[in-house]
Amino acid sequence: AQKVTQAQTEISVVEKEDVTLDCVYETRDTTYYLFWYKQPPSGELVFLIRRNSFDEQNEISGRYSWNFQKSTSSFNFTITASQVVDSAVYFCALDMASYNQGGKLIFGQGTELSVKP
Amino acid sequence: EAGVAQSPRYKIIEKRQSVAFWCNPISGHATLYWYQQILGQGPKLLIQFQNNGVVDDSQLPKDRFSAERLKGVDSTLKIQPAKLEDSAVYLCASSLDRRTRVLPDTQYFGPGTRLTVL
Repeated sequence: AQKVTQAQTEISVVEKEDVTLDCVYETRDTTYYLFWYKQPPSGELVFLIRRNSFDEQNEISGRYSWNFQKSTSSFNFTITASQVVDSAVYFCALDMASYNQGGKLIFGQGTELSVKP
Repeated sequence: EAGVAQSPRYKIIEKRQSVAFWCNPISGHATLYWYQQILGQGPKLLIQFQNNGVVDDSQLPKDRFSAERLKGVDSTLKIQPAKLEDSAVYLCASSLDRRTRVLPDTQYFGPGTRLTVL
């Protein structure tokens, strides 16, 4: 069975602090994709990053960085120098590569990040 | 490029009434998804269309939920009759044709419809 766990339900930081959101996944497949989405109060899920299971290189995009470790089945997300606009719910998700899986995104429970000025 | 459009944004109904949601995917996206997101949880897939055909509806409560995508573009999700536990945000997403890809394409989401059942 496939599963995504985001153990941190809520995180509160003060602006300019660094914060890491944890994501642990379970799958028996060797080929899969991992995603992070941001859901601001407006409700729309905003795509942040996609990473396939063959690429364990860490990625940095501005203040955002992602650490993918297959050995621990983790795909953690770090925001450096957090800002109030980063306040949102963040979801980690798993998508199977096999068409027979129906393209189902398996989401974690989400982590609500609150950045205070 | 226009994103995924959904309407209405908000809907309040009483239990046992019926309701319908509309979705217009990104132009050129053959695959369309409907998700249900209950407060405090991650979205859960209800149904997936490939053009106008259903690929996966295993998690759709078929006794009360129905969905269609007649011309392979817009889609409608209906609930009849609604129950209190249907209160949630209904999200529509779309992606390129999954069948032509070795690995999954990114799903892009609309703003959702927030349904409250009283």
